[in-house]
This record gives sequence, C-alpha cells and structure tokens, in this order.
Amino acid sequence: QVQLVESGGGVVQPGGSLRLSCTASGFAFSNYGIHWVRQAPGKGLQWVAFIRYDGSDTFYADSVKGRFTLSRDDSKNTVYLQMNSLRPEDSAIYFCAKVSVTFGETYSDYWGQGTQVTVSS
Amino acid sequence: AIQLTQSPSSLSASVGDRVTITCRASQDSSTFAWYQQKPGKGPKLLIYDVSTLESGVPSRFSGSGSGTDFTLTISSLQPEDFATYYCQQFTSYPVFGQGTRLEIK
Repeated sequence: QVQLVESGGGVVQPGGSLRLSCTASGFAFSNYGIHWVRQAPGKGLQWVAFIRYDGSDTFYADSVKGRFTLSRDDSKNTVYLQMNSLRPEDSAIYFCAKVSVTFGETYSDYWGQGTQVTVSS
Repeated sequence: AIQLTQSPSSLSASVGDRVTITCRASQDSSTFAWYQQKPGKGPKLLIYDVSTLESGVPSRFSGSGSGTDFTLTISSLQPEDFATYYCQQFTSYPVFGQGTRLEIK
C-alpha cells in the first residue's frame, strides 16, 4: 500500500538548519510530484513547497523562498527538504504528500504522518 | 494572494445529522478539493474537482459549487466523521481554508 514517512525533524536554534526526508513506498515514485505542507500548533494547513515528478521544477511559498530547497533521489524513493536560516515561525509539523495524478500537481491523495520542527533558543 | 474563507469555523452536531460546510474563494477556480484531518494524522482527500468523490470515500460525503462558492455536505453524520475539514484551491500552488472543526454535540 502507499506509504509516505517523514523524518529529520527536531529542535533547532533560530538561524539553524535541518534536512527533512520523505521516503515513499507502494507506488511508482518517479511519476509523481511531492508537496510539503506544514501545520503550526493548533493552526491550519500551509503549503510550503513542491517538486515535480522529474525534479525539473521546484516551487516555494514566499515565506520560505531562498531559505528552503527541495531535491529528490528516485533511487531511494526520497524527497529532501533542506531548511536553512530557520525562524521561530517555521515551527510546525511538516507533512509530505503525493500528488493524486501522474505528472500532476493539483491535489494530494496520500499524506505522511508528519515530522515536528521546533525552532527555539 | 488567494484566500479561502470557510464557515463555520466550528460546528457541533449529532450522529445522523446532515451537515454543510461552505468555502468562499477570493478567486474563481474549478480546481477545488476537500480534506478531512483527524488528530495526529495527515489530511485525507475526500473530494476533488469540486464534486468528484475520492476512491473509498463513503457516498454520504458530497461536494458542490462553482466559481467562488463551494460546499461540502455530509448527509448523515457517523461517529468517525468528527474531525477537522479543510477546503483547498489550486491556481499556481495549493491554498487551504482555515478549517472547520466538527464536534460531537
């Protein structure tokens, strides 16, 4: 069955870095784009970034542009979110999600359980 | 920036009730979906393209609307439906509503 597992979260000081991983199984990973969405404590969902199925394009929310970088390694069925210059307002649960349509980008039909990122001194 | 406004922000209802949640978009689009989220879990896609039911989702869930006004209806609430619901629109990136928390009365 389809599964996405996030890892790499933790506690980091402001200005620090973390690399999140999203490891997938149960589907043809190289045919699907991956979104990252975050959720601050008690708050709603906020889109963070997207990488196309072939890694040819990446897109970022204005709030993270220039600080976060997405990449993918199809040999490991994994997408990486490199987060630099972290700020307290980046604290959230980070979810990765598979797009619902081959080569698409619009909706996400499978989500991971999320990994917690806390930015605090 | 696109904004989605859900109403109500919270709702108390009983098993068997018919429930309607609305979402108003600041921009016209037919690329519209509804998700359900339970505590400690990632969201679950319920409906996409305004009214298409995702595979495996019970038929008591339905979506409707057009332009900037969209609705999620649960025809007869079941115990497992108590959760938070989010609308989502896509233009150049996904935008989510602020959520509607559905609680047991």
